[in-house]
Amino acid sequence: GDSVTQMEGPVTLSEEAFLTINCTYTATGYPSLFWYVQYPGEGLQLLLKATKADDKGSNKGFEATYRKETTSFHLEKGSVQVSDSAVYFCALTHSGNTPLVFGKGTRLSVIA
Amino acid sequence: DVKVTQSSRYLVKRTGEKVFLECVQDMDHENMFWYRQDPGLGLRLIYFSYDVKMKEKGDIPEGYSVSREKKERFSLILESASTNQTSMYLCASSLVGRSSGANVLTFGAGSRLTVL
Repeated sequence: GDSVTQMEGPVTLSEEAFLTINCTYTATGYPSLFWYVQYPGEGLQLLLKATKADDKGSNKGFEATYRKETTSFHLEKGSVQVSDSAVYFCALTHSGNTPLVFGKGTRLSVIA
Repeated sequence: DVKVTQSSRYLVKRTGEKVFLECVQDMDHENMFWYRQDPGLGLRLIYFSYDVKMKEKGDIPEGYSVSREKKERFSLILESASTNQTSMYLCASSLVGRSSGANVLTFGAGSRLTVL
């Protein structure tokens, strides 16, 4: 079945550092790919998405590009802030009513 | 904005009790989901529903049941709570179809259940 693998955390960075969180997937066809973020004490919220190969999703300074050839959707941000401290989840789904499949999450801590 | 409301943020129950977790969404979403979140295991799907009175098992349905009598409400039921069901429970909803918003989950804030 479909699966998502993300780098294990926790990841600790200093403010203004460059962030990469790796995400690779196993799935048939062309799934839609997502990054969700969970801030402390809250539920998950959509950060960005891409629905076809070579699409780039972006939001709040974060970016991820749908790479079909490497089955990857790595999350990047050029300069992280303390307020970016959260747990980040990579996920995929096929069109229609197929539920999302999530990775295990990566905890990011940004220190001033 | 779509709002998904989970009725209880924190619950403490005893082993063997029947537990109801309620979830309500206010934007007419067809799909609703229940996940549990545990450290090191990420999110695991318990049950989901595509329509009123319909339900589908997810990856870990054992020990749980669900009810969807109205489109906006999706309840998770623990018939006889056990300590291994201590967890964070997350409800979510989504649209169906081919619009840009389809398949995007909107989550509630979560219900943290402790079973003693």
